[in-house]
Amino acid sequence: GAVVSQHPSRVICKSGTSVKIECRSLDFQATTMFWYRQFPKQSLMLMATSNEGSKATYEQGVEKDKFLINHASLTLSTLTVTSAHPEDSSFYICSARKWDNRHTEAFFGQGTRLTVV
Amino acid sequence: EDQVTQSPEALRLQEGESSSLNCSYTVSGLRGLFWYRQDPGKGPEFLFTLYSAGEEKEKERLKATLTKKESFLHITAPKPEDSATYLCAVGRSGGSNYKLTFGKGTLLTVNP
Repeated sequence: GAVVSQHPSRVICKSGTSVKIECRSLDFQATTMFWYRQFPKQSLMLMATSNEGSKATYEQGVEKDKFLINHASLTLSTLTVTSAHPEDSSFYICSARKWDNRHTEAFFGQGTRLTVV
Repeated sequence: EDQVTQSPEALRLQEGESSSLNCSYTVSGLRGLFWYRQDPGKGPEFLFTLYSAGEEKEKERLKATLTKKESFLHITAPKPEDSATYLCAVGRSGGSNYKLTFGKGTLLTVNP
């Protein structure tokens, strides 16, 4: 399978600060990347779809100004949690879409555990 | 609205005891049924993609099958290292709006 690298794997930040999470597709180009949030013992909830060179598409209920997404190249998307608060503490996971003109598959990063204190 | 329902929520097996996990789905314009394995504190690991009813794929002790309404993940003679949460997801067509909808997963525990 393809490799998607997410960094950092864990981060602790103070309330009110911002945190940036990186997602890289290492061995393929990804025009589309996805950002998910996962609560304990829950499934993945899609937050936004990140398209290279254009604005991200956010799911209903996700604050665009709080979760800033940038997809500046075909191998890198970033999620910035701005003015983080304890309720933003969660497990954030990125995914990159690999498309071969017929089939599409999605590969995931290792996830980032964000703790806001 | 796309829906994915996985059952059972949790499954305990003895080593070597074969079983199946179920994933029922409703989606308009299915573009792939995906199975992932997720270990605690990790991102999902890709296992299989199935695209059409009747398709089957195998990998070691795992075999995935697909019908028009559901998919099964069969586990043959499982080992303790197969313990994990298994996630099912469906992809929906829509060009640039392609997205996956996930089920809640099945937590599999294999006891030695």
